[in-house]
Amino acid sequence: GDSVTQMEGPVTLSEEAFLTINCTYTATGYPSLFWYVQYPGEGLQLLLKATKADDKGSNKGFEATYRKETTSFHLEKGSVQVSDSAVYFCALSGVNNNDMRFGAGTRLTVKP
Amino acid sequence: NAGVTQTPKFRILKIGQSMTLQCTQDMNHNYMYWYRQDPGMGLKLIYYSVGAGITDKGEVPNGYNVSRSTTEDFPLRLELAAPSQTSVYFCASSYPRRTGGAGTDTQYFGPGTRLTVL
Repeated sequence: GDSVTQMEGPVTLSEEAFLTINCTYTATGYPSLFWYVQYPGEGLQLLLKATKADDKGSNKGFEATYRKETTSFHLEKGSVQVSDSAVYFCALSGVNNNDMRFGAGTRLTVKP
Repeated sequence: NAGVTQTPKFRILKIGQSMTLQCTQDMNHNYMYWYRQDPGMGLKLIYYSVGAGITDKGEVPNGYNVSRSTTEDFPLRLELAAPSQTSVYFCASSYPRRTGGAGTDTQYFGPGTRLTVL
C-alpha cells in the first residue's frame, strides 16, 4: 500500500544553517505530496504541497520538489530560524484511497 | 471561519468510563478524520468519513466508535476507556483531491483533545 518514509530525528541546527529533511514515498500513480508542521501544543498545519511531478511547493522560505523519478519530496530551507523549531511531517494522498498517509515526523530544534 | 473546533481541550477519565470527543468544521468539507498521537510519535488514523452517513475504519479503530449525521460534525465515542487510550486526539477535515482519482486535498486540523485515562 501507499506509504511515506522520512528522515529520523531529532535534528539540531544552529540559526542560519541549511536544512534538509528527506522524504521518500511508495504509491501507485501520481499521489499528492504534502509537508505539515506541528508547533508545540498545536495541531498540524500545512506548510506546502505539490500535486504533480516536478511541481515545487514553497512557503515561508521552505521548499520541496516532487520528484517522480526518485519518488522523493525532500524539504529544504536555506537559513533556519529559532522559530522554525517544530515537528515536520511528510504526507501523501494516494489515488486509490481517501486517507492521508503520514511519515513518523522529524523534530527540528534550532539553537541561537 | 473558525475552521475545525474540538471539545474538550483536556479530559481525565477513569478506567471503564465513556466519553464523546466533539469535532465541528465550518468549511463545508466532505471528508473528516480522527487521529491519535501518542507522546513523541506520529499520527494514527482511527476513523474517517467521506460524507454524512458514511464512515470507515482506519488503522486503530478498536475501542472507538463514530457517527456522521451532518456535514459539520464528526463525534468520536470512547467506550470503556483504557489506559492505552491515553493520547492526544486530533480531528481534521478536507475536500476531496482535485486532480483525479480518489484521495484527499489538504487536511485542516483542530487544536486537539488531550485525554488521560487513569
